[in-house]
Amino acid sequence: ILNVEQSPQSLHVQEGDSTNFTCSFPSSNFYALHWYRWETAKSPEALFVMTLNGDEKKKGRISATLNTKEGYSYLYIKGSQPEDSATYLCAFRANNDMRFGAGTRLTVKP
Amino acid sequence: DTGVSQDPRHKITKRGQNVTFRCDPISEHNRLYWYRQTLGQGPEFLTYFQNEAQLEKSRLLSDRFSAERPKGSFSTLEIQRTEQGDSAMYLCASSWGYNTGELFFGEGSRLTVL
Repeated sequence: ILNVEQSPQSLHVQEGDSTNFTCSFPSSNFYALHWYRWETAKSPEALFVMTLNGDEKKKGRISATLNTKEGYSYLYIKGSQPEDSATYLCAFRANNDMRFGAGTRLTVKP
Repeated sequence: DTGVSQDPRHKITKRGQNVTFRCDPISEHNRLYWYRQTLGQGPEFLTYFQNEAQLEKSRLLSDRFSAERPKGSFSTLEIQRTEQGDSAMYLCASSWGYNTGELFFGEGSRLTVL
């Protein structure tokens, strides 16, 4: 059984705050770690796919790091904006399937 | 290409009825996944196809659930004798090739069992 844990479950921040979330996953049989952003009434969209220990990825104000040896990834958002409000999902790929965490629900207040 | 499409978007049915959902993946994608998502949870893996072969099936998928992907194109997910606990969002996603490929999701089919 592949357990993917995300924390916190939800987060409320003010516009302009920087924030970060954690994803922990099994450290064996690792293929890839994905981050997805899921806005209400839309479909999840990929932010990052990371495969190598020590990977760091960045897209605008959002960045992510990966530690496969200890089984965790961090997602950072710098200077949060109201449009960043969404659920952020991480997903761990091992062999053929991909298992998701329960997500971190971010609300950014103007 | 218009992305992954799912049909119907919403389905309300009575307990005991059968329902079928359809997913049309991105045309060049060879992998297709079905997930179920309930309130407050992340997408829960149900099953996975590579081309027309169903390679993995979750233990959560009881014998009332069946999925097919004839000819490796669109896929159907059928739920027989629906129960209230089947009420959920059913998400389809597709990807290309290798194990690291990102998933492209449809907008989901929301099932309500009365």
